[in-house]
Amino acid sequence: NAGVTQTPKFQVLKTGQSMTLQCAQDMNHNSMYWYRQDPGMGLRLIYYSASEGTTDKGEVPNGYNVSRLNKREFSLRLESAAPSQTSVYFCASSEALAEQETQYFGPGTRLLVL
Amino acid sequence: GESVGLHLPTLSVQEGDNSIINCAYSNSASDYFIWYKQESGKGPQFIIDIRSNMDKRQGQRVTVLLNKTVKHLSLQIAATQPGDSAVYFCAENIVGATNKLIFGTGTLLAVQP
Repeated sequence: NAGVTQTPKFQVLKTGQSMTLQCAQDMNHNSMYWYRQDPGMGLRLIYYSASEGTTDKGEVPNGYNVSRLNKREFSLRLESAAPSQTSVYFCASSEALAEQETQYFGPGTRLLVL
Repeated sequence: GESVGLHLPTLSVQEGDNSIINCAYSNSASDYFIWYKQESGKGPQFIIDIRSNMDKRQGQRVTVLLNKTVKHLSLQIAATQPGDSAVYFCAENIVGATNKLIFGTGTLLAVQP
């Protein structure tokens, strides 16, 4: 039982390039989330998916798109990367999108945009 | 806007001592709180949670205390070990916010041998 996995672990992009961050969970969770973590700031929610087939914007969605491919997988896409998107990205999942459902995190993807 | 904050950005303790990490929250509508541990280069790891109808909850070597009167949350780690060295941060969930957690910025716990 691997929990939440993310690929790649590290990525360097040039401004304007695109890429997709992959996330998968094997806990049969319904809800999944994408966060970014920047120095001196708490985790900020980019997008979330309450259940398969649904996605919603979080606190900082601009410049990102997401796809809930199936119940297991939730991908984050940067269409045209900018230096301001240099960050560590974390995927998380929870059993449901309900209050007081614990979120479990993946190991993160470290992205540098030059 | 309302946010979760931490009193001490860095806490240094001796191995074997007890550690107390504090967190202040300002949203009185928050009803669920979680403590996460994040080791260098890793994702946040769930430690313990507490609901607003409780004021104390204990886990293995960890205790979370909630004081709703002063909107204060603390994490106590007993007999701190070198493996406890990490950033600890609290998160709150506001009633009706459908599991949109608000995270604090974190406290670095450094355990000295």
